Amino acid sequence: ETGVTQSPTHLIKTRGQQVTLRCSSQSGHNTVSWYQQALGQGPQFIFQYYREEENGRGNFPPRFSGLQFPNYSSELNVNALELDDSALYLCASSSTPGSLGYTFGSGTRLTVV
Amino acid sequence: KNEVEQSPQNLTAQEGEFITINCSYSVGISALHWLQQHPGGGIVSLFMLSSGKKKHGRLIATINIQEKHSSLHITASHPRDSAVYICAATPNTGNQFYFGTGTSLTVIP
Repeated sequence: ETGVTQSPTHLIKTRGQQVTLRCSSQSGHNTVSWYQQALGQGPQFIFQYYREEENGRGNFPPRFSGLQFPNYSSELNVNALELDDSALYLCASSSTPGSLGYTFGSGTRLTVV
Repeated sequence: KNEVEQSPQNLTAQEGEFITINCSYSVGISALHWLQQHPGGGIVSLFMLSSGKKKHGRLIATINIQEKHSSLHITASHPRDSAVYICAATPNTGNQFYFGTGTSLTVIP
């Protein structure tokens, strides 16, 4: 058991729709990072949240947004879905932003058709 | 250019073979991670290195800070080792990982 749970595991959406992906972190993990992994590629950093505030962002447009809640859960929201958004979305949590010990979730496979 | 480069991209080995996967990075790092990703997508952390060498069972990871290079070795490979192995760097500045594109390993019985 990884201690980080992501839901749903698989999702199919239509272009233009909106999607919310969820991540439940380990208790005490105040930092969560979200990554997008396209097929055959390494994960790309989307953003990080620390204590419910955005704490760094990668090269993703504003239609990718997030929320972090006091109960160690978080959300990744993507508006106006595009076909290229089809990917595996991973969350990783740690106790602090500078911590080197991250725990990854199993990911959500999003397919946009 | 990616901050982290891995080679090879794909690797097929016979059961029992010794396997090496290489990783080079171009940024200053506080740690280098080797991760294993199975077809379902979940990522498991194998090693976190900041210097020297670590060993866990049949897996060995080494890092040369001066050359900005790390290797992951698998001795006596087994079909259950088949997975994607990803090298990731935690830079000195910033809070994210920089990931390599992964090495897809297939071990044939």
